[in-house]
Amino acid sequence: DIKMTQSPSSLSASLGERVTISCRASENINNYLSWYQKKEDGSVKLLIYHTSRLQPGAPSRFSGSGSGKDYSLTISGLESEDIATYYCQQGYTPYTFGAGTKLELK
Amino acid sequence: QVQLKESGPGLVQPSETLSLTCTVSGFSLTSYSVSWVRQPSGKGPEWMGRMWYDGDTAYNSALKSRLSISRDTSKNQVFLKMNSLQTDDTGTYYCTRDRNYGGYSERYYVMDAWGQGASVTVSS
Repeated sequence: DIKMTQSPSSLSASLGERVTISCRASENINNYLSWYQKKEDGSVKLLIYHTSRLQPGAPSRFSGSGSGKDYSLTISGLESEDIATYYCQQGYTPYTFGAGTKLELK
Repeated sequence: QVQLKESGPGLVQPSETLSLTCTVSGFSLTSYSVSWVRQPSGKGPEWMGRMWYDGDTAYNSALKSRLSISRDTSKNQVFLKMNSLQTDDTGTYYCTRDRNYGGYSERYYVMDAWGQGASVTVSS
């Protein structure tokens, strides 16, 4: 199975700050990489798919990039509603997820 | 409006079988596939398996010997059954709608809608 490693595991940032979360796959995943947001209430939303495609309804301050094994999610200006845990997921079955990055307010 | 809702017992005895139901609305099970994903507390999510739109199934090989996914399209429900439960099966279980965004391969499927999750504790 492909192992997904996220960093950092937790992150404190201020409102308006630019935030970047990284994800590394154990092998080339050819841009089949999605990002999900999980709120404290347990609700989960798809933000980004195929590395950089924004899911309809997701705010445009979210963007994704990367290739090969290395990918990143960027929030261009942190808002309070972005406080959540973020997970990357690769697209080869069995699908596997990163362990998550918990984003908190500084 | 797309909705998924998981239901089932919150507590299961060790060695017993877990049965969960995912009731969907706003889309057809014959047009979209549905996955089950679980998340132990403090760990990342784990994809368990999928009920394809055509009635076929796919399983994570790590769970395949214990897992069964089925559906009743007339009731808009997808079912998960997993036997021989142990304490490390404790966690939150989600069902998801899987959307194809551009190809025939499984690589082109994303989990674009999630249920609220069902908390399952395995304990005597």
